[in-house]
Amino acid sequence: QVQLVQSGAEVKKPGASVKVSCKASGYTFNGYYMHWVRQAPGQGLEWMGWINPNNGGTNYAQKFQGRVTMTRDTSISTANMELSRLRADDTAVYYCARVSAVEGHNGMDVWGQGTTVTVSS
Amino acid sequence: SYELTQPPSVSVSPGQTARITCSGDALPKQYAYWFQQKPGQAPVLVIYQDSERPSGIPERFSGSSSGTTVTLTISGVQAEDEADYYCQSADRSDTSVIFGGGTKLTVL
Repeated sequence: QVQLVQSGAEVKKPGASVKVSCKASGYTFNGYYMHWVRQAPGQGLEWMGWINPNNGGTNYAQKFQGRVTMTRDTSISTANMELSRLRADDTAVYYCARVSAVEGHNGMDVWGQGTTVTVSS
Repeated sequence: SYELTQPPSVSVSPGQTARITCSGDALPKQYAYWFQQKPGQAPVLVIYQDSERPSGIPERFSGSSSGTTVTLTISGVQAEDEADYYCQSADRSDTSVIFGGGTKLTVL
């Protein structure tokens, strides 16, 4: 079945970087953009950006430009999101979600289970 | 910056109809999507392209659009529908994805 499985929880100190992975299975990895969305404790959803697994092209939300890097490894159907210069307010659950490259208007139809990132000194 | 505005909360009794609105200036030109999120779980897509329902989503979930407002309607609300609901769309230039602030649906 189609699923996105994310890496485990992380605890980081302020100023450090974190890398979250998202492994896809059950579908053609290159055929879907991978979006990253985060949710701070008790807060709403916040879009971070996307990567096109086909060519590695990216589009980052302005808020995260300069701090976020999205990559992919097509050989293992995995997308990665790295966030640098972490601050306490980066503490959140980070989700990956796929969007069809062809039928983009079908929306974020499959989500990963989420990865909790805690930033604390 | 562009925003999508949702009411913070909506309350209905079981069997009634719940309507959750989402307003944004670009909505006449951009599709809207709706997600259901229960505590401790990832969001689930319940409506795409304003009014289409993904397979597996109950028929009681429907979406509509009128001008700068889109609406998620849940007919015959059940206790299991109690959750947070988020609308999502794109900005006018179609470069950024935007989420509404979320609406907590309480089933009385």
